[in-house]
Amino acid sequence: GQQVMQIPQYQHVQEGEDFTTYCNSSTTLSNIQWYKQRPGGHPVFLIQLVKSGEVKKQKRLTFQFGEAKKNSSLHITATQTTDVGTYFCAGPSWGKLQFGAGTQVVVTP
Amino acid sequence: NAGVTQTPKFQVLKTGQSMTLQCAQDMNHEYMSWYRQDPGMGLRLIHYSVGAGITDQGEVPNGYNVSRSTTEDFPLRLLSAAPSQTSVYFCASSYTETQRSYNEQFFGPGTRLTVL
Repeated sequence: GQQVMQIPQYQHVQEGEDFTTYCNSSTTLSNIQWYKQRPGGHPVFLIQLVKSGEVKKQKRLTFQFGEAKKNSSLHITATQTTDVGTYFCAGPSWGKLQFGAGTQVVVTP
Repeated sequence: NAGVTQTPKFQVLKTGQSMTLQCAQDMNHEYMSWYRQDPGMGLRLIHYSVGAGITDQGEVPNGYNVSRSTTEDFPLRLLSAAPSQTSVYFCASSYTETQRSYNEQFFGPGTRLTVL
Protein backbone atom coordinates (compact mmCIF):
# COMPACT_ATOMS: atom_id res chain seq x y z
CA GLY A 1 0.00 0.00 0.00
CA GLN A 2 0.89 3.62 -0.28
CA GLN A 3 3.28 5.01 2.27
CA VAL A 4 3.87 8.67 2.98
CA MET A 5 7.20 9.48 4.60
CA GLN A 6 8.42 12.75 5.99
CA ILE A 7 11.93 13.94 6.73
CA PRO A 8 13.33 15.17 8.97
CA GLN A 9 11.38 13.97 12.00
CA TYR A 10 12.72 16.88 14.06
CA GLN A 11 13.96 20.29 12.99
CA HIS A 12 15.64 22.75 15.34
CA VAL A 13 15.83 26.17 13.77
CA GLN A 14 17.30 29.47 14.91
CA GLU A 15 14.83 32.30 14.63
CA GLY A 16 15.35 34.06 11.32
CA GLU A 17 16.77 31.03 9.52
CA ASP A 18 15.18 29.12 6.66
CA PHE A 19 14.40 25.41 6.58
CA THR A 20 12.73 22.81 4.41
CA THR A 21 10.77 19.68 5.25
CA TYR A 22 10.13 16.94 2.74
CA CYS A 23 7.36 14.48 2.04
CA ASN A 24 7.79 11.39 -0.14
CA SER A 25 5.24 8.88 -1.36
CA SER A 26 5.81 5.35 -2.61
CA THR A 27 3.11 5.91 -5.26
CA THR A 28 1.92 8.77 -7.45
CA LEU A 29 -0.50 11.08 -5.66
CA SER A 30 -3.50 12.81 -7.17
CA ASN A 31 -2.95 15.62 -4.69
CA ILE A 32 -1.13 16.34 -1.47
CA GLN A 33 -2.19 18.30 1.58
CA TRP A 34 -0.21 19.99 4.32
CA TYR A 35 -1.37 20.53 7.90
CA LYS A 36 0.09 22.30 10.90
CA GLN A 37 -0.44 21.25 14.48
CA ARG A 38 0.55 23.62 17.27
CA PRO A 39 1.70 22.04 20.56
CA GLY A 40 -1.35 20.77 22.41
CA GLY A 41 -3.62 21.60 19.49
CA HIS A 42 -5.23 19.85 16.58
CA PRO A 43 -4.11 19.66 12.94
CA VAL A 44 -5.16 22.61 10.82
CA PHE A 45 -5.29 22.50 7.04
CA LEU A 46 -2.72 24.72 5.32
CA ILE A 47 -2.89 23.97 1.63
CA GLN A 48 -3.54 21.43 -1.09
CA LEU A 49 -1.41 20.91 -4.19
CA VAL A 50 -2.87 19.22 -7.23
CA LYS A 51 -0.80 19.89 -10.33
CA SER A 52 2.57 18.42 -11.23
CA GLY A 53 5.31 20.94 -10.39
CA GLU A 54 2.85 23.25 -8.64
CA VAL A 55 4.27 25.91 -6.34
CA LYS A 56 2.10 27.84 -3.87
CA LYS A 57 3.07 30.49 -1.37
CA GLN A 58 1.49 31.58 1.88
CA LYS A 59 3.48 34.52 3.23
CA ARG A 60 6.78 32.94 4.36
CA LEU A 61 5.70 29.38 3.50
CA THR A 62 6.38 27.91 0.06
CA PHE A 63 4.85 24.59 -0.92
CA GLN A 64 5.95 22.57 -3.92
CA PHE A 65 4.59 19.43 -5.58
CA GLY A 66 7.10 17.33 -7.48
CA GLU A 67 6.99 16.84 -11.22
CA ALA A 68 6.28 13.14 -10.78
CA LYS A 69 3.68 13.88 -8.06
CA LYS A 70 5.45 11.55 -5.65
CA ASN A 71 7.05 14.14 -3.42
CA SER A 72 6.42 17.53 -1.92
CA SER A 73 8.26 20.10 0.14
CA LEU A 74 7.49 22.90 2.54
CA HIS A 75 10.04 25.70 2.80
CA ILE A 76 9.79 28.33 5.53
CA THR A 77 11.84 31.49 5.26
CA ALA A 78 12.87 33.72 8.16
CA THR A 79 11.47 31.35 10.77
CA GLN A 80 9.53 32.92 13.61
CA THR A 81 8.50 31.55 16.99
CA THR A 82 4.97 31.33 15.66
CA ASP A 83 6.16 28.60 13.27
CA VAL A 84 6.62 26.18 16.17
CA GLY A 85 4.61 22.99 15.74
CA THR A 86 4.41 19.78 13.76
CA TYR A 87 3.88 19.88 10.03
CA PHE A 88 2.16 16.93 8.38
CA CYS A 89 1.75 16.04 4.76
CA ALA A 90 -1.09 13.79 3.70
CA GLY A 91 -1.93 12.00 0.49
CA PRO A 92 -5.20 10.36 -0.60
CA SER A 93 -5.39 6.62 -0.80
CA TRP A 94 -8.68 5.07 -1.93
CA GLY A 95 -10.75 7.96 -0.59
CA LYS A 96 -8.85 8.21 2.68
CA LEU A 97 -6.01 10.45 3.68
CA GLN A 98 -2.74 8.86 4.73
CA PHE A 99 -0.65 11.11 6.94
CA GLY A 100 3.09 11.19 7.25
CA ALA A 101 4.66 11.01 10.72
CA GLY A 102 5.25 14.76 10.68
CA THR A 103 8.18 17.13 11.14
CA GLN A 104 8.34 18.65 14.61
CA VAL A 105 9.76 22.17 14.42
CA VAL A 106 11.39 23.83 17.40
CA VAL A 107 12.44 27.45 17.08
CA THR A 108 15.23 28.92 19.20
CA PRO A 109 14.96 32.68 19.76
CA ASN B 1 -20.84 27.16 13.18
CA ALA B 2 -19.19 25.14 15.94
CA GLY B 3 -17.26 23.05 13.41
CA VAL B 4 -16.17 19.66 14.76
CA THR B 5 -16.73 19.07 18.46
CA GLN B 6 -15.44 16.21 20.59
CA THR B 7 -16.26 15.08 24.10
CA PRO B 8 -14.76 14.44 26.55
CA LYS B 9 -11.50 16.36 26.33
CA PHE B 10 -9.77 14.11 28.83
CA GLN B 11 -10.56 10.60 30.04
CA VAL B 12 -8.89 8.06 32.29
CA LEU B 13 -10.02 4.45 32.08
CA LYS B 14 -9.06 1.23 33.76
CA THR B 15 -8.12 -1.78 31.67
CA GLY B 16 -11.23 -3.60 30.51
CA GLN B 17 -13.60 -0.67 30.79
CA SER B 18 -15.60 0.47 27.81
CA MET B 19 -16.51 3.99 26.75
CA THR B 20 -17.68 6.08 23.83
CA LEU B 21 -15.89 9.10 22.43
CA GLN B 22 -18.34 11.53 20.94
CA CYS B 23 -17.86 13.51 17.73
CA ALA B 24 -20.26 15.88 16.03
CA GLN B 25 -20.05 18.33 13.14
CA ASP B 26 -22.47 20.99 11.95
CA MET B 27 -21.07 21.58 8.46
CA ASN B 28 -23.18 18.92 6.72
CA HIS B 29 -20.05 16.99 5.80
CA GLU B 30 -20.57 13.53 4.42
CA TYR B 31 -17.12 12.20 5.25
CA MET B 32 -16.06 11.67 8.86
CA SER B 33 -13.13 9.82 10.34
CA TRP B 34 -11.31 8.95 13.54
CA TYR B 35 -7.54 9.13 13.98
CA ARG B 36 -5.26 8.31 16.84
CA GLN B 37 -2.03 10.17 17.37
CA ASP B 38 0.94 8.65 19.15
CA PRO B 39 4.41 10.21 19.49
CA GLY B 40 6.50 9.75 16.37
CA MET B 41 3.73 7.95 14.48
CA GLY B 42 1.69 10.75 13.05
CA LEU B 43 -2.03 10.33 12.57
CA ARG B 44 -3.32 6.82 11.99
CA LEU B 45 -6.79 6.22 10.64
CA ILE B 46 -9.02 4.04 12.83
CA HIS B 47 -12.41 4.08 11.08
CA TYR B 48 -14.14 6.31 8.60
CA SER B 49 -17.57 6.94 7.14
CA VAL B 50 -18.58 8.30 3.74
CA GLY B 51 -22.15 8.96 4.82
CA ALA B 52 -24.89 8.02 7.24
CA GLY B 53 -25.19 4.25 7.55
CA ILE B 54 -21.82 3.59 5.90
CA THR B 55 -18.61 2.88 7.79
CA ASP B 56 -15.34 1.19 6.98
CA GLN B 57 -12.08 0.25 8.66
CA GLY B 58 -8.94 2.27 8.49
CA GLU B 59 -5.36 1.38 9.31
CA VAL B 60 -5.77 0.44 13.01
CA PRO B 61 -9.41 -0.65 13.64
CA ASN B 62 -8.91 -3.42 16.19
CA GLY B 63 -10.52 -2.72 19.56
CA TYR B 64 -12.76 0.05 18.22
CA ASN B 65 -16.31 0.19 16.85
CA VAL B 66 -18.13 2.98 15.06
CA SER B 67 -21.60 3.69 13.76
CA ARG B 68 -23.06 6.55 11.73
CA SER B 69 -26.79 6.90 12.24
CA THR B 70 -26.89 10.59 11.31
CA THR B 71 -24.79 12.89 9.13
CA GLU B 72 -23.80 14.96 12.19
CA ASP B 73 -22.58 12.31 14.64
CA PHE B 74 -19.83 9.73 14.48
CA PRO B 75 -19.13 8.12 17.89
CA LEU B 76 -16.12 5.88 18.53
CA ARG B 77 -16.55 3.02 20.99
CA LEU B 78 -13.75 1.34 22.88
CA LEU B 79 -15.00 -2.14 23.64
CA SER B 80 -12.53 -3.21 26.33
CA ALA B 81 -9.85 -0.61 26.96
CA ALA B 82 -6.21 -1.62 26.97
CA PRO B 83 -3.08 0.39 27.89
CA SER B 84 -2.06 0.27 24.20
CA GLN B 85 -5.06 2.48 23.48
CA THR B 86 -3.61 5.34 25.48
CA SER B 87 -3.45 8.06 22.88
CA VAL B 88 -4.88 11.30 21.61
CA TYR B 89 -7.96 10.75 19.46
CA PHE B 90 -9.02 13.17 16.76
CA CYS B 91 -12.23 13.21 14.85
CA ALA B 92 -12.24 14.88 11.43
CA SER B 93 -14.80 15.69 8.78
CA SER B 94 -14.77 16.87 5.19
CA TYR B 95 -16.82 17.14 2.03
CA THR B 96 -16.56 14.06 -0.11
CA GLU B 97 -14.78 14.30 -3.40
CA THR B 98 -18.11 14.02 -5.17
CA GLN B 99 -19.30 17.25 -3.58
CA ARG B 100 -16.20 19.38 -3.74
CA SER B 101 -13.02 19.34 -5.76
CA TYR B 102 -10.92 18.84 -2.63
CA ASN B 103 -11.30 17.13 0.70
CA GLU B 104 -9.77 19.43 3.30
CA GLN B 105 -10.08 17.78 6.69
CA PHE B 106 -11.52 19.75 9.61
CA PHE B 107 -10.30 18.33 12.90
CA GLY B 108 -11.90 18.45 16.30
CA PRO B 109 -9.93 19.50 19.40
CA GLY B 110 -9.15 15.91 20.39
CA THR B 111 -9.71 13.59 23.34
CA ARG B 112 -6.74 12.66 25.48
CA LEU B 113 -7.27 9.13 26.73
CA THR B 114 -5.22 7.30 29.33
CA VAL B 115 -5.80 3.62 30.05
CA LEU B 116 -4.32 2.35 33.30
